[in-house]
Amino acid sequence: AQSVAQPEDQVNVAEGNPLTVKCTYSVSGNPYLFWYVQYPNRGLQFLLKYITGDNLVKGSYGFEAEFNKSQTSFHLKKPSALVSDSALYFCAVRTILTGGGNKLTFGTGTQLKVEL
Amino acid sequence: KAGVTQTPRYLIKTRGQQVTLSCSPISGHRSVSWYQQTPGQGLQFLFEYFSETQRNKGNFPGRFSGRQFSNSRSEMNVSTLELGDSALYLCASSLAELADYNEQFFGPGTRLTVL
Repeated sequence: AQSVAQPEDQVNVAEGNPLTVKCTYSVSGNPYLFWYVQYPNRGLQFLLKYITGDNLVKGSYGFEAEFNKSQTSFHLKKPSALVSDSALYFCAVRTILTGGGNKLTFGTGTQLKVEL
Repeated sequence: KAGVTQTPRYLIKTRGQQVTLSCSPISGHRSVSWYQQTPGQGLQFLFEYFSETQRNKGNFPGRFSGRQFSNSRSEMNVSTLELGDSALYLCASSLAELADYNEQFFGPGTRLTVL
């Protein structure tokens, strides 16, 4: 079964410093990986995805993610954190289902807190 | 382009009642998926609809059902509500075709509280 793991429940970083939110995956076949962000009382917002190609994927709001096949990781990064980046971040893997559709399997989420 | 909309945003019900939640996908999106989010279980897949047909279903009891209309709007229904059904229910739409790799776009969710 496809799965992703987010080993850190919370990450704290000072504004202006680089941030990393970790994600590792376990899939059979090619991985299709996504990052989403959730602000309080809101739905999930898409940040970026890896399907194939370059291992460094650039996304919304200055975020990027590095796909590493040998380490089965897909860590989310940002060079300079903002207080407004404080939110709940989810890593997800797309599973193509036999019915022709697909679903997202999410990690448990990492709460990012950016402090002044 | 308008995003995914869900109604109502908040709902309070009592045990044993039933509830219907509504989702309008982004214009042109034909796939609608539903997820349940709880503090204990996280985000879990409920089901996916495409062209008015349920293509896939997650591991939820039969009390959870849904449907999709010809305009791609979708509803989900939960019958005989239990306290454990209290959750944020999220709807997502995408430009789905077979072996789709497009991202899903989520609505703001419906917060269901069962008393």
